[in-house]
Amino acid sequence: DGGITQSPKYLFRKEGQNVTLSCEQNLNHDAMYWYRQDPGQGLRLIYYSQIVNDFQKGDIAEGYSVSREKKESFPLTVTSAQKNPTAFYLCASSVSRNSNQPQHFGDGTRLSIL
Amino acid sequence: GDSVTQMEGPVTLSEEAFLTINCTYTATGYPSLFWYVQYPGEGLQLLLKATKADDKGSNKGFEATYRKETTSFHLEKGSVQVSDSAVYFCALKQGSGNQFYFGTGTSLTVIP
Repeated sequence: DGGITQSPKYLFRKEGQNVTLSCEQNLNHDAMYWYRQDPGQGLRLIYYSQIVNDFQKGDIAEGYSVSREKKESFPLTVTSAQKNPTAFYLCASSVSRNSNQPQHFGDGTRLSIL
Repeated sequence: GDSVTQMEGPVTLSEEAFLTINCTYTATGYPSLFWYVQYPGEGLQLLLKATKADDKGSNKGFEATYRKETTSFHLEKGSVQVSDSAVYFCALKQGSGNQFYFGTGTSLTVIP
């Protein structure tokens, strides 16, 4: 079955450490997205990518970085510059920019500070 | 810019009660509208969608109608179950746009 796989499910970060969250999709979708979700809150867009080797900042990109070297993969790095990284991170994909089709989501990664 | 406004929660209902979660939107043109559901510790799952005015999306007993005249897409279910307890998100996307716009989510708890 096609879908989005996020790993790991739980991740712990030490002070000053960078960590990378994995997101892989086999839906052949062009667009991929990263969101941050804090308890009791909605989704905030971190980065998105419409095509391989191209990505754009969302509303809260500071302290995060991404790459899009392959269509299937869109890893997110939470850098040490992100001072409050504890949150639930969701990866999503959609068919393409010029489409009214919905986003598909992974099961999320919960990041905590040690 | 585009945006979505949802009724604030939390909402608590007894089993078999009628559910309405309000959603209104601001957008130019004719966006597509979606309802997603999120169970604890999981990602969002698409519940239903509508792509043009007067369309009715439906799934698992939930319904929502795309009302352009009132810019609304309210979620309804005639008889909720305990298993419907979750957070519900309304969202929109322009056909030519880059982004999806989400409401802040409405938490629903159904008690037996």
